[in-house]
Amino acid sequence: QVQLQQSGPGLVKPSQTLSLTCAISGDSVSSNSAAWNWIRQSPSRGLEWLGRTYYRSKWYNDYAVSVKSRIIINPDTSKNQFSLQLNSVTPEDTAVYYCAREAPIWVWGQGTLVTVSS
Amino acid sequence: DIVMTQTPLSLSVTPGQPASISCKSSQNLLHSDGKTYFYWYLQKPGQSPQLLIYEVSSRFSGVPDRFSGSGSGTDFTLKISRVEAEDVGLYFCMQGLHVPKTFGQGTKVEIK
Repeated sequence: QVQLQQSGPGLVKPSQTLSLTCAISGDSVSSNSAAWNWIRQSPSRGLEWLGRTYYRSKWYNDYAVSVKSRIIINPDTSKNQFSLQLNSVTPEDTAVYYCAREAPIWVWGQGTLVTVSS
Repeated sequence: DIVMTQTPLSLSVTPGQPASISCKSSQNLLHSDGKTYFYWYLQKPGQSPQLLIYEVSSRFSGVPDRFSGSGSGTDFTLKISRVEAEDVGLYFCMQGLHVPKTFGQGTKVEIK
């Protein structure tokens, strides 16, 4: 059974970098049939897909246009996890952040509330 | 981007009565592999979303059979045959065919 365990700080200062990690059990970040996503949820924006990384003989990334200039999603094969970095955050980036495995069945992490505030 | 339009946005249901939620996508969600990448989730208060239905009508493991999904192409429906108190929460649809993945606005279900 696939499980995702998120970790990372819950408070980030404006203009700094938001960093979260998603540890995978029951699957491999290098799987040729899965993709590894980050999604966030806020009262003002609802659910917003941020991006994903996946391996199909080589690594690929897709990012949402709204954050494309500020986001990096990286796999870490040595630890079987993947990470989210969101640079230059503002209070509008305050949200619950989820990691999620895509296909064949979507599995979500437990969520991390990240508040951007000084 | 594919727009997912969910209705209604809120629903108040008497226990034991049926409920239905609609979700319409702005594009056909049928993939060339024959699968339709459409999902229904329930998010209970304070929890992460839990998968109810995948690929339009397949019930995820452990989901009670009072939940059913139907539809094709761009129009989809989630039905609860007899609502129970534990069914309260936010229901939302999601398309997984194209990036960016997109979601419905959510339907808040409460018990009368």
